[in-house]
Amino acid sequence: EAQVTQNPRYLITVTGKKLTVTCSQNMNHEYMSWYRQDPGLGLRQIYYSMNVEVTDKGDVPEGYKVSRKEKRNFPLILESPSPNQTSLYFCASSLRDSPLHFGNGTRLTVT
Amino acid sequence: AQSVTQPDIHITVSEGASLELRCNYSYGATPYLFWYVQSPGQGLQLLLKYFSGDTLVQGIKGFEAEFKRSQSSFNLRKPSVHWSDAAEYFCAVGARGGSQGNLIFGKGTKLSVKP
Repeated sequence: EAQVTQNPRYLITVTGKKLTVTCSQNMNHEYMSWYRQDPGLGLRQIYYSMNVEVTDKGDVPEGYKVSRKEKRNFPLILESPSPNQTSLYFCASSLRDSPLHFGNGTRLTVT
Repeated sequence: AQSVTQPDIHITVSEGASLELRCNYSYGATPYLFWYVQSPGQGLQLLLKYFSGDTLVQGIKGFEAEFKRSQSSFNLRKPSVHWSDAAEYFCAVGARGGSQGNLIFGKGTKLSVKP
């Protein structure tokens, strides 16, 4: 089944403790991206990648890192999480000039 | 600057009534346009898309949308709403010829359906 898989679905952590949210797609898509969703703000792009080893900042990249070492994987790294990064995170992938396919989301709480 | 505006934060309609959700965009060139739906606790599902050609596009679940270049709009419509349509709807715009990973989303319209 074609899908974008994020893990974990739920994560509670403390300020400053490094964490990684994984994202994997099995559709051989070139494009992958990370969004955060906050009430009243919609979805805002954090980072995106147009292919292996090619990444670029989205609208809200501060406090996040990404890497694209393999085509199928695009992990989101929070080196030192803070409470303002409490949010619902979505990974997405697509082919060029095609709609995004979204994962089911990761709800992160930073205390 | 590129932007997407969904003027209605929350809409309530009666089951069986017609629906129109508004979307206006600001973009330098003719964009790709999308509508996504998000049910509670779920990810986003594509309802429909406009890339080129016929400006009236049909999507899943009986939804349609019309691209109006002169009004920079891409409004979503459904002739008869079902209770299962209650969800949040997002309009999005993307650049031609490149990064679909760089979609810009509106802030969403939450749809409630009265029995």
